[in-house]
Amino acid sequence: DGGITQSPKYLFRKEGQNVTLSCEQNLNHDAMYWYRQDPGQGLRLIYYSQIVNDFQKGDIAEGYSVSREKKESFPLTVTSAQKNPTAFYLCASSIRYSGSSTDTQYFGPGTRLTVL
Amino acid sequence: AQSVAQPEDQVNVAEGNPLTVKCTYSVSGNPYLFWYVQYPNRGLQFLLKYITGDNLVKGSYGFEAEFNKSQTSFHLKKPSALVSDSALYFCAVRDGRGSTLGRLYFGRGTQLTVWP
Repeated sequence: DGGITQSPKYLFRKEGQNVTLSCEQNLNHDAMYWYRQDPGQGLRLIYYSQIVNDFQKGDIAEGYSVSREKKESFPLTVTSAQKNPTAFYLCASSIRYSGSSTDTQYFGPGTRLTVL
Repeated sequence: AQSVAQPEDQVNVAEGNPLTVKCTYSVSGNPYLFWYVQYPNRGLQFLLKYITGDNLVKGSYGFEAEFNKSQTSFHLKKPSALVSDSALYFCAVRDGRGSTLGRLYFGRGTQLTVWP
């Protein structure tokens, strides 16, 4: 998990609340990603960002929002519009893809969100 | 469309025996393939990747994977399993064309249990 930190480790949300999950990396990576993990469903992409001040929706962006104001930070907000937010959330980063090369995504330790 | 299938939800093997975790993929263009491992309540750890070249890729902790283009497979293997190998394993594929901006597509995961 080294180089990518996520906080908090556990988060509890009441109905109707917005909550923000933190993701910070010190790997000098350009690209950052947010995934949601549910049992038996693998990882699903929520949002990703290739560069500061730019980000794209993934497969399940509804009810989530992100910002990328700094290269090292990519916070995820789970809004009240997300109807079933209880899940394990994983942040990842990688060197920006370019040309025909590829690179590895490295993951943080995750945040487990539970709706009360 | 890019996709990954892990046909076995669970694999059970005795310690000291060889293990195989299966993965097949579908991708347009050249495939870039990855294996990750996840221990309970932890992030994903990178094991190995195939970009190009030799069909047998060696990775961390004694794991290796065999790329087979004709069968569109990328099976993870280890000659002698350890109890500590028990974990959830994910296969992922990335489209080599570049238009997907570094996105990975994950399988649903295979739970490996190694019995002492």
